[in-house]
Amino acid sequence: ETGVTQTPRHLVMGMTNKKSLKCEQHLGHNAMYWYKQSAKKPLELMFVYNFKEQTENNSVPSRFSPECPNSSHLFLHLHTLQPEDSALYLCASSLDRDGLSGANVLTFGAGSRLTVL
Amino acid sequence: GESVGLHLPTLSVQEGDNSIINCAYSNSASDYFIWYKQESGKGPQFIIDIRSNMDKRQGQRVTVLLNKTVKHLSLQIAATQPGDSAVYFCAENAGEGKLIFGQGTELSVKP
Repeated sequence: ETGVTQTPRHLVMGMTNKKSLKCEQHLGHNAMYWYKQSAKKPLELMFVYNFKEQTENNSVPSRFSPECPNSSHLFLHLHTLQPEDSALYLCASSLDRDGLSGANVLTFGAGSRLTVL
Repeated sequence: GESVGLHLPTLSVQEGDNSIINCAYSNSASDYFIWYKQESGKGPQFIIDIRSNMDKRQGQRVTVLLNKTVKHLSLQIAATQPGDSAVYFCAENAGEGKLIFGQGTELSVKP
C-alpha cells in the first residue's frame, strides 16, 4: 500500500445522481491532488490543495466539486455528471506543493473507477 | 504550449533483455522530471527522478537519461523481468505542484 487510500474503488452512477469520492493519506503530507485518467490520454491534473487551501483548478467543470477539510482528507463531490466523465480518478499527495523533487514526490492512491451511465 | 510525450505507445521485450522507454518534452525551462510505473489496477508508482542539472541518474536496475539539448528523456530498465510489465509515464514539473504527464508506454515482457 502507498499510504494513500481511495474509496470507493469502483462507482457506477446515473447522470442525475450525487456521489462523492474520498481520499485519505497517512503520510503526513500537506498537499493533495485530484487527477483524471481517461483511456488513451495522459493524466490530467484537476485540483491542487496545499495546507487545505485550493491552489489550482485546472478549468474543471463545476459538476466536480472538491473539498479538503484537513491535510489528510480530500473529497471529490460529483453531481449531474456526463458519460464522458467516466474515468479513473486518482488522488495523490506530497509533502508540499512546492519544490517537488527528491523526498517531496507525488504518491498516488489506487484510484476510483467511475462509470457514468 | 507545454507538452510531454512518449515516442511509442507499446514496447515488447524478451525477459532478461534491456528496455528503453523514451520521452520528449517541450518546455526547456523544466527543472525536474519523473518516471512513474502503473500496473494494472493500481495507481502510478514513483520509479526514479532527475533534476535538470544532471544528465544521468541510476537506481536499482533503472537509469534515467536526460538530454536537454534535444529535450529528451529516457528510462532504461536492465534485465527486464515479467514484474516490469506495466505502463510507464514520464512527467515534467511545471511548478506549484503541477506535473505534466506523457501518454504512457505499455511495456510487455515475454517469458
